[in-house]
Amino acid sequence: GENVEQHPSTLSVQEGDSAVIKCTYSDSASNYFPWYKQELGKGPQLIIDIRSNVGEKKDQRIAVTLNKTAKHFSLHITETQPEDSAVYFCAASIRDAGGTSYGKLTFGQGTILTVHP
Amino acid sequence: DTGVSQNPRHKITKRGQNVTFRCDPISEHNRLYWYRQTLGQGPEFLTYFQNEAQLEKSRLLSDRFSAERPKGSFSTLEIQRTEQGDSAMYLCASSLGLTIDITDTQYFGPGTRLTVL
Repeated sequence: GENVEQHPSTLSVQEGDSAVIKCTYSDSASNYFPWYKQELGKGPQLIIDIRSNVGEKKDQRIAVTLNKTAKHFSLHITETQPEDSAVYFCAASIRDAGGTSYGKLTFGQGTILTVHP
Repeated sequence: DTGVSQNPRHKITKRGQNVTFRCDPISEHNRLYWYRQTLGQGPEFLTYFQNEAQLEKSRLLSDRFSAERPKGSFSTLEIQRTEQGDSAMYLCASSLGLTIDITDTQYFGPGTRLTVL
C-alpha cells in the first residue's frame, strides 16, 4: 500500500522567515496531494492541494511543488506569522482495493510548526 | 455553518460499552469518509461511502466497527465492546464525489474524541 513520509517532525522559525515541509510517497499512481493544517482540538483544514498534472501551485503565502519523478512534494510558507503555528499534514491519494477508485488519502506523520514572534 | 458536523464532540465510556458517532456531511456531497487519528499521528483511513454504498473498509476496521450511510446523507460509526485501544479522535470528511475515478477535495469535520476507561 501507499506510504507517505513527512519531514521534519518539528520546525521552529522566527516570524517573517520561510518554512518548508517535505513529503515523499511510494505509489507512483498517486495523483492528488493535499496539505492540511490542524490546530489543537480541531479537524484538519485544507490549505492547498495539487494534482499530478501540475508541478507547482501558489496561493498567497503558501505554495506546493510536486516532483513526480522523485515522488516527493513540498509545502512552502513565506513570511510566516504566529498564527501559522499548528500541525501540518501532507497526504496522497491511493487506489482502493479494486484498483480503479482514488477515494482515500494516506497521511504523513505531521510537522509541528512553531512561529516565534 | 455549512461544513461537516460531528456529534458528539467528546465521548467518555467504559471498556466493553458500545458507542455510536454521527457525521453530517456538507450538503450535496456524495462521498463520505471516516478516519481515526491517535495522538501525534496523521489520520488513518477507516472506510468510505459513495452515496449509500460502502466502497472500501480498511483492515483497521475490525468486526467490532460498523459504519452506515442509509440514505446517502448522514453516517454513523458504531464501535461495539470498546477497548482502551479504541481511544482516539474519529474524523469524518466529505467530498463532492461526482466521478468515482478522481480523488476530490475532502473537507473534515471537527472530530469526535473517544476516551475508553
